[in-house]
Amino acid sequence: EDQVTQSPEALRLQEGESSSLNCSYTVSGLRGLFWYRQDPGKGPEFLFTLYSAGEEKEKERLKATLTKKESFLHITAPKPEDSATYLCAVQGPPLTGANNLFFGTGTRLTVIP
Amino acid sequence: GAVVSQHPSRVICKSGTSVKIECRSLDFQATTMFWYRQFPKQSLMLMATSNEGSKATYEQGVEKDKFLINHASLTLSTLTVTSAHPEDSSFYICSARRGRSQETQYFGPGTRLLVL
Repeated sequence: EDQVTQSPEALRLQEGESSSLNCSYTVSGLRGLFWYRQDPGKGPEFLFTLYSAGEEKEKERLKATLTKKESFLHITAPKPEDSATYLCAVQGPPLTGANNLFFGTGTRLTVIP
Repeated sequence: GAVVSQHPSRVICKSGTSVKIECRSLDFQATTMFWYRQFPKQSLMLMATSNEGSKATYEQGVEKDKFLINHASLTLSTLTVTSAHPEDSSFYICSARRGRSQETQYFGPGTRLLVL
């Protein structure tokens, strides 16, 4: 069964304290792994798409990496405005008309000034 | 970037009434749109996949007669919650995908539904 597990469930960091969020997945025929940021009461905001093991992408203080079994979202010197829930989603083999996008439950990040 | 809007952002209605939520892709044509539901502190649960010009595909356990989906154009999909009840209160989020071969989904801001 395809699964996505994110850890930790919640993370509190001091401003400037770098850390990493983990997304472990089991999906046959991975077509893409997505990271989204979600603020309370808002829809998810797209951050990155990773397609193959070894791929890395960066955006400001965020860097996403991918292996065959997991992805990491590294946050360097976070600021309070980085506080949000970070969602990981994976896409398996294409199915006609289907979504086949599996979401993890997210990591709730709080950055303390 | 790709922008997806939803309307209304929040709605309060009486039990038994129907509520329509619109999802629009503002700067791209969306062959496929998706409707999700999210409960507090939980992740997104896919309700249905909507392809332009065809019937929506519903996930297991989602009542198609209760959650009516119409994808009339490449930029608009609507979700109608019929005969809403308090247990339908939730955060409804749509997403849109540019094309069948483009995998990234872009999400709308969500609609908070409260049924009294």
